[in-house]
Amino acid sequence: DIQMTQSPSTLSASVGDRVTISCRASQSITTWLAWYQAKPGKAPNVLIYKASTLESGVPSRFSGSGSGTEFTLTISSLQPGDFATYYCQQYHTYPYTFGQGTKLEIQ
Amino acid sequence: EVQLVESGGGVVRPGESLRLSCAASGFIFDSYGLSWVRQVPGKGLEWVSGINWSGGSTGYAASVKGRFTISRDDAKRSLYLQMNSLRAEDTALYYCARASRDAQKPQEHWGQGILVTVSS
Repeated sequence: DIQMTQSPSTLSASVGDRVTISCRASQSITTWLAWYQAKPGKAPNVLIYKASTLESGVPSRFSGSGSGTEFTLTISSLQPGDFATYYCQQYHTYPYTFGQGTKLEIQ
Repeated sequence: EVQLVESGGGVVRPGESLRLSCAASGFIFDSYGLSWVRQVPGKGLEWVSGINWSGGSTGYAASVKGRFTISRDDAKRSLYLQMNSLRAEDTALYYCARASRDAQKPQEHWGQGILVTVSS
């Protein structure tokens, strides 16, 4: 199975900061990678798919990049509603696997 | 509007079985892949199982392979997860999710989730 490793596990930042979350796959997944935002009590929302395609309705301050085994999610200027947990997921090969999550906290 | 409504959760004892159902509406059901994703409260997301639009391709997480079976009934517009030999570690909130039609997004729409508790 393909293992997905996110870093960091927790990230403390302030409104207006630029932050980057990394995700590494244990083998090449080309660009079959999605990023999700999850908040307590709600189902996750897809932010980015195919590594860099912004989901409709998602603010442009979110961006994704990478291919092969190394990927990043960048939030250019944090807004109050962005403090949540973020997950990457590979969907190159069954079983699709998630990273362990990155909790973005208010500093 | 796309709607996915899970049912069939509850409290069971270790070793018992449970079948989750997901009733879908608001889209052409037999054109989309579907999946189950679970989350232990306060923990991360775990992809459990998926099935493609035709039902001809299925996948399972290593943690459930051989115990869980995913299926779909296009006539009933429903997705199922048959869970056998349940363990305490299967306790979680289970989400039904639909992919995008072109499969570019593995989970585009999600249900509200259904809680499964495995406890003696």
